[in-house]
Amino acid sequence: GESVGLHLPTLSVQEGDNSIINCAYSNSASDYFIWYKQESGKGPQFIIDIRSNMDKRQGQRVTVLLNKTVKHLSLQIAATQPGDSAVYFCAENLYGNKLVFGAGTILRVKS
Amino acid sequence: NAGVTQTPKFRVLKTGQSMTLLCAQDMNHEYMYWYRQDPGMGLRLIHYSVGEGTTAKGEVPDGYNVSRLKKQNFLLGLESAAPSQTSVYFCASSDSNYGYTFGSGTRLTVV
Repeated sequence: GESVGLHLPTLSVQEGDNSIINCAYSNSASDYFIWYKQESGKGPQFIIDIRSNMDKRQGQRVTVLLNKTVKHLSLQIAATQPGDSAVYFCAENLYGNKLVFGAGTILRVKS
Repeated sequence: NAGVTQTPKFRVLKTGQSMTLLCAQDMNHEYMYWYRQDPGMGLRLIHYSVGEGTTAKGEVPDGYNVSRLKKQNFLLGLESAAPSQTSVYFCASSDSNYGYTFGSGTRLTVV
């Protein structure tokens, strides 16, 4: 899950396994959520988004689940590959198209 | 189609010096943003713009100024750099319906 501070949570998975990255968001009024992937030395890259009127959305190898009751968001990556190694951020849109980002989770894929 | 381009990519400043970071987007997006990213932390919004000629403060605006004279450009200025402004700076743009597109970042060190 997310944390604030110098030490990001790290998820280590074996290549081919499924990964689940969790995020707790702050505001029950947030209406739009996004997951970003950031590789070393690069800017964040859009992965998948979900609006608050949905509880699940699927993309290619990725699924986002939204639980508004407990303000929780998760990103599931199927058949994790070495190229998935990165820092993953969730972001929530409060209003006015401004995103607030979580601190991030490091995903390490072991071959 | 280059997306979001940031210049420079790297810069070292002495305390008290000034500089301007340039962000250019070619997607005709209305919204543009400047974030900073520090080790172990998520992206924090410095300033943003909802259209040409408009700017607004984000979460951490102190010590920075911005201008949006043209729709495609968003400039971030540091009037008197301080070591606390050592960070990686990311620009992003969006329209009202989709997630942000980020630039590749500017790594700034203030000594």
